[in-house]
Amino acid sequence: EDQVTQSPEALRLQEGESSSLNCSYTVSGLRGLFWYRQDPGKGPEFLFTLYSAGEEKEKERLKATLTKKESFLHITAPKPEDSATYLCAVQTNYGGSQGNLIFGKGTKLSVKP
Amino acid sequence: EPEVTQTPSHQVTQMGQEVILRCVPISNHLYFYWYRQILGQKVEFLVSFYNNEISEKSEIFDDQFSVERPDGSNFTLKIRSTKLEDSAMYFCASRSTNEQYFGPGTRLTVT
Repeated sequence: EDQVTQSPEALRLQEGESSSLNCSYTVSGLRGLFWYRQDPGKGPEFLFTLYSAGEEKEKERLKATLTKKESFLHITAPKPEDSATYLCAVQTNYGGSQGNLIFGKGTKLSVKP
Repeated sequence: EPEVTQTPSHQVTQMGQEVILRCVPISNHLYFYWYRQILGQKVEFLVSFYNNEISEKSEIFDDQFSVERPDGSNFTLKIRSTKLEDSAMYFCASRSTNEQYFGPGTRLTVT
């Protein structure tokens, strides 16, 4: 069964304190791994797509990396406005799949000033 | 910047009633999706839609659910006879290449 597990469930940081969020996945075939940001009561906001092991993507204070079994979202010198739930999702490459995403439960990040 | 829109933002209905949730996907996108998120739980896939037909659906998407693209812009999710356990946030998403873009969601409360 395809599975996505994110850790930790919650993370509290001081402003400027860098850290990483983990997403481990078990799928028969990976088409892509996606990171989203979700604010309370809102829809997921697209951040990154990663397709192959070794790939890295960056956007402002965020950097996503991918290995064959997991992905990391590194947050460098976070600010309070980075507080949100970060969701990891995978897309499988089964023949009949139309690209639906399988999500993890997310990591709730709180950044205190 | 183009975005997915959804209406209403909040829908309250009584058990057994029919509801229709509406979405306007990004205009040049060809693939459309519905997901739901029960409070405190994962975002779960319901159904995908391409070329005017359902291309994939999950076990959650039973006979009580249906989707339609009634015109060139709207994409709807209908729940025929709502149950208490249908209470959730419902998200519409669309894509042209690989990245799915989500709407703000409709909060459905079944009483």
